[in-house]
Amino acid sequence: AQTVTQSQPEMSVQEAETVTLSCTYDTSENNYYLFWYKQPPSRQMILVIRQEAYKQQNATENRFSVNFQKAAKSFSLKISDSQLGDTAMYFCAFMKQGAQKLVFGQGTRLTINP
Amino acid sequence: ETGVTQTPRHLVMGMTNKKSLKCEQHLGHNAMYWYKQSAKKPLELMFVYNFKEQTENNSVPSRFSPECPNSSHLFLHLHTLQPEDSALYLCASSPLGATSGVNTQYFGPGTRLTVL
Repeated sequence: AQTVTQSQPEMSVQEAETVTLSCTYDTSENNYYLFWYKQPPSRQMILVIRQEAYKQQNATENRFSVNFQKAAKSFSLKISDSQLGDTAMYFCAFMKQGAQKLVFGQGTRLTINP
Repeated sequence: ETGVTQTPRHLVMGMTNKKSLKCEQHLGHNAMYWYKQSAKKPLELMFVYNFKEQTENNSVPSRFSPECPNSSHLFLHLHTLQPEDSALYLCASSPLGATSGVNTQYFGPGTRLTVL
């Protein structure tokens, strides 16, 4: 069975700083997908970024980028120029290819301070 | 109308009540999901429906009864719940057989359920 671990329960940074959230996972699969979702206080779970395991290039979406290390089974999220609206719970998730089940980590509560 | 909607947003019910949660997706997807989010626990997948047919039930107690009349609508019927069922219930939808190879899930805002 796959597991996803987020070792940082809470993080806090100042606005405009860069912050990196950690995620590791355990799987015997070779083909899979990794996701970061954010859940602000409104509770809406919003897709931030997605990475295909077969792609060596790290995914980027505006201020959000990942550092995907397949051999180390690590998938960290970097938020550049952080904004107050980035305050949220961030969840790392795994899905094996062809499947529909998302396996989530415990989440990291990120606070951006003015 | 935004992608995935859920009603009600908040629900308080007694253990003997019967209530239903509703989910609607406007994304043209063919798969829909129910998740449970409890405090200090990872999201738990409850049910999966593909083309209106249930394809997964993760050992969910029978007091939770899903219904999927079509690919756009998903219900969760609740009956004789326990206080430990209090949680955020999230609905999601995804395409099936996406050309990208990944069936990315998009979530609704959730229903906060409190069982007294």
